[in-house]
Amino acid sequence: GAVVSQHPSWVICKSGTSVKIECRSLDFQATTMFWYRQFPKQSLMLMATSNEGSKATYEQGVEKDKFLINHASLTLSTLTVTSAHPEDSSFYICSARDRASGFHEQYFGPGTRLTVT
Amino acid sequence: DAKTTQPPSMDCAEGRAANLPCNHSTISGNEYVYWYRQIHSQGPQYIIHGLKNNETNEMASLIITEDRKSSTLILPHATLRDTAVYYCIVRAPQGAQKLVFGQGTRLTINP
Repeated sequence: GAVVSQHPSWVICKSGTSVKIECRSLDFQATTMFWYRQFPKQSLMLMATSNEGSKATYEQGVEKDKFLINHASLTLSTLTVTSAHPEDSSFYICSARDRASGFHEQYFGPGTRLTVT
Repeated sequence: DAKTTQPPSMDCAEGRAANLPCNHSTISGNEYVYWYRQIHSQGPQYIIHGLKNNETNEMASLIITEDRKSSTLILPHATLRDTAVYYCIVRAPQGAQKLVFGQGTRLTINP
């Protein structure tokens, strides 16, 4: 199956700093990428949907100025957590849809664990 | 998209078939049923999807009732590596095209 990578796999940062997480589709072109957040013992929560070359669509309750999403190419999307605080500590997972495979195929990255101290 | 209901947890003995139920009584005619699983601290993994016919692949089988109000994911010979949270999701082809995860079923395979 298609591969989605994330970098870094884990990161620790100080409160008030910004952190950038990269999501790459390694062997396919992804016109649409999704960002999820998962707190311990909870399910995945969709944060936003991004389409290549256009602004991301954020889910209700997700602050777009705090979670900046850029989808500048068909293989790369980035999530920047700005002015991170301890409550932003979470597992962030990206997902990408294979342009060639159509609607049904959606692949997930391995996740990035963010800890804000 | 229609809501799904799954038991919060299940146990299964290694080597036996694991049957995971999902209720989606409000499913619409054009909505597909998808199954994903998430092994601890990893990203979700696609398992299988279907519309109304039963489906089988190298990982599992999906049985959808004739009225499409429920389905069952079958792992024919469960191994310890199948221990994970299993998510049943329904989604229509058009619209926002996003996968929305419920609470899933935590399946534990016991030796």
